[in-house]
Amino acid sequence: DAGITQSPRHKVTETGTPVTLRCHQTENHRYMYWYRQDPGHGLRLIHYSYGVKDTDKGEVSDGYSVSRSKTEDFLLTLESATSSQTSVYFCAISEVSGLDGYTFGSGTRLTVV
Amino acid sequence: KQEVTQIPAALSVPEGENLVLNCSFTDSAIYNLQWFRQDPGKGLTSLLLIQSSQREQTSGRLNASLDKSSGRSTLYIAASQPGDSATYLCAVLTGGGNKLTFGTGTQLKVEL
Repeated sequence: DAGITQSPRHKVTETGTPVTLRCHQTENHRYMYWYRQDPGHGLRLIHYSYGVKDTDKGEVSDGYSVSRSKTEDFLLTLESATSSQTSVYFCAISEVSGLDGYTFGSGTRLTVV
Repeated sequence: KQEVTQIPAALSVPEGENLVLNCSFTDSAIYNLQWFRQDPGKGLTSLLLIQSSQREQTSGRLNASLDKSSGRSTLYIAASQPGDSATYLCAVLTGGGNKLTFGTGTQLKVEL
């Protein structure tokens, strides 16, 4: 989607290695979110941010950490990747805590081998 | 806990047919409901956003309705085309924000 970019688009990594996914927005929205999408589970919230350096946990936050040092960037880190973290990761943004709707990025397909 | 169900899980129709996708949710205390489209291997594209105070929203051949009291929303697609083939997801926003619950989607195939 225009205004929100995820990188990398695809990544294969080994079990036990740290991995960082990046979400970059040009919309100057306050809220940013990380979701994972898995068959049978749909989309689930990992972490979200409501401002620079302000973050909180979502539904499935174990094994993940986030950082937001600038309004435009929201990083998701897998401290020590496991096979259960193989998934498609989506970043989303919202201007008013979801009241104005969400805009999603194109996703990062992560495979942990 | 909010639960969102979409019926049917899959749907195949001939081109030109009008169709309805259904979304139901268990907690009617929602802020809004959003319909998305997802093409295979792609991200989510927002189609329509309905605020809790609204009854429906329209965009081109798409019309979404919301009956908050009964916990239901429908997405109506008029004159379906093969390009409409995708998975359609509904999501409801509840709580103090940041609680966006997704349904598991309806996979639509429009055949020539």
